[in-house]
Amino acid sequence: QQQVKQSPQSLIVQKGGISIINCAYENTAFDYFPWYQQFPGKGPALLIAIRPDVSEKKEGRFTISFNKSAKQFSLHIMDSQPGDSATYFCAASNRYSGAGSYQLTFGKGTKLSVIP
Amino acid sequence: EPEVTQTPSHQVTQMGQEVILRCVPISNHLYFYWYRQILGQKVEFLVSFYNNEISEKSEIFDDQFSVERPDGSNFTLKIRSTKLEDSAMYFCATWTSGRIDEQFFGPGTRLTVL
Repeated sequence: QQQVKQSPQSLIVQKGGISIINCAYENTAFDYFPWYQQFPGKGPALLIAIRPDVSEKKEGRFTISFNKSAKQFSLHIMDSQPGDSATYFCAASNRYSGAGSYQLTFGKGTKLSVIP
Repeated sequence: EPEVTQTPSHQVTQMGQEVILRCVPISNHLYFYWYRQILGQKVEFLVSFYNNEISEKSEIFDDQFSVERPDGSNFTLKIRSTKLEDSAMYFCATWTSGRIDEQFFGPGTRLTVL
């Protein structure tokens, strides 16, 4: 019930291409869906986040698409650059439900490599 | 830019020893968290702390673990008797309600249990 399933485990994309990472969740109490970027030896850093009242959110080259009925959301990185090479984690929380402590449940991560 | 700091960056200890990992949360943040990440695996929630008490904990957070905020600034995670399987990166995170909607993660402490 608490799981967030993420795919693919690894992804290789040519510079300038589109990177797509998918996540699915089970717990319908989740109402906040962030994506975190992690470079080796560093802590996760928030990249972009979405609430289920919208189907898409775009910030620069990064877009989250959200499908509430399917309980799925995805991250699209347009014009992927070598500097985007990192591990990406989707996560979910009951941030707005008013219950609990809003801890994040993470997916297993996707290691993205953008090759020149 | 606000940031969470953690010390030490790397801790090596012998199995059975006690370790204390320290975090300095962002000033005025109200919720504090510890997560861990075993090498190559996902980030896992350990415990959340609010209003000077534990608000939630995962099944990983057993009696060997404890947290406290001893002086109103530091937030610590203690592991009383470390096991080999406690080797991981431990991340502190903090969050507050309001306009900024983000859990800020520290850089982590790499714990190696020999």
